[in-house]
Amino acid sequence: KAGVTQTPRYLIKTRGQQVTLSCSPISGHRSVSWYQQTPGQGLQFLFEYFSETQRNKGNFPGRFSGRQFSNSRSEMNVSTLELGDSALYLCASRPESPNVEKLFFGSGTQLSVL
Amino acid sequence: GNSVTQMEGPVTLSEEAFLTINCTYTATGYPSLFWYVQYPGEGLQLLLKATKADDKGSNKGFEATYRKETTSFHLEKGSVQVSDSAVYFCARQGRGADGLTFGKGTHLIIQP
Repeated sequence: KAGVTQTPRYLIKTRGQQVTLSCSPISGHRSVSWYQQTPGQGLQFLFEYFSETQRNKGNFPGRFSGRQFSNSRSEMNVSTLELGDSALYLCASRPESPNVEKLFFGSGTQLSVL
Repeated sequence: GNSVTQMEGPVTLSEEAFLTINCTYTATGYPSLFWYVQYPGEGLQLLLKATKADDKGSNKGFEATYRKETTSFHLEKGSVQVSDSAVYFCARQGRGADGLTFGKGTHLIIQP
């Protein structure tokens, strides 16, 4: 069974631009979560989607948004990029039941904002 | 708010040494507790978990016990190997659909 797939693996943008990151969950998993990882703040929860609906949201500004498609694939968008948005963005999927120990992470998208 | 505090790294040990990585958590809402591991260039993997007080999670020789009285969930291993070199994250999750709250991670380096 293929794991969680995130694309692209690396991305370089400049301030003010916007970016879209993609995540394909493990087949059969309907929940997708996004996390931001930085050296200073560590891992922080962005949001979770389940059946195309945002189920929970972390403490990030409105520039960070996401969506989930009917096939459970998810995209995350960041508008008006700032230098501080440079981070590793991790996606995680899990089956239908809210069973956190079955959370599977992708390898992440490394975003650099110049 | 909810938080997880773990010892800052890097932690450097020799092979076969005893490992302890400290972790404390906020106890609000009777959380479940986890240790995740991140190997270079990879995503996070669940290492072990405990869902209630006095539970002991274990995997690959690692252990951690859910201590309610000290709000701690320290990770231990009796004899580390070079292949254990990675970043270790302690995490909590309250009841319901909240996301995980992670500690800042501890970079473990094992030297041969």
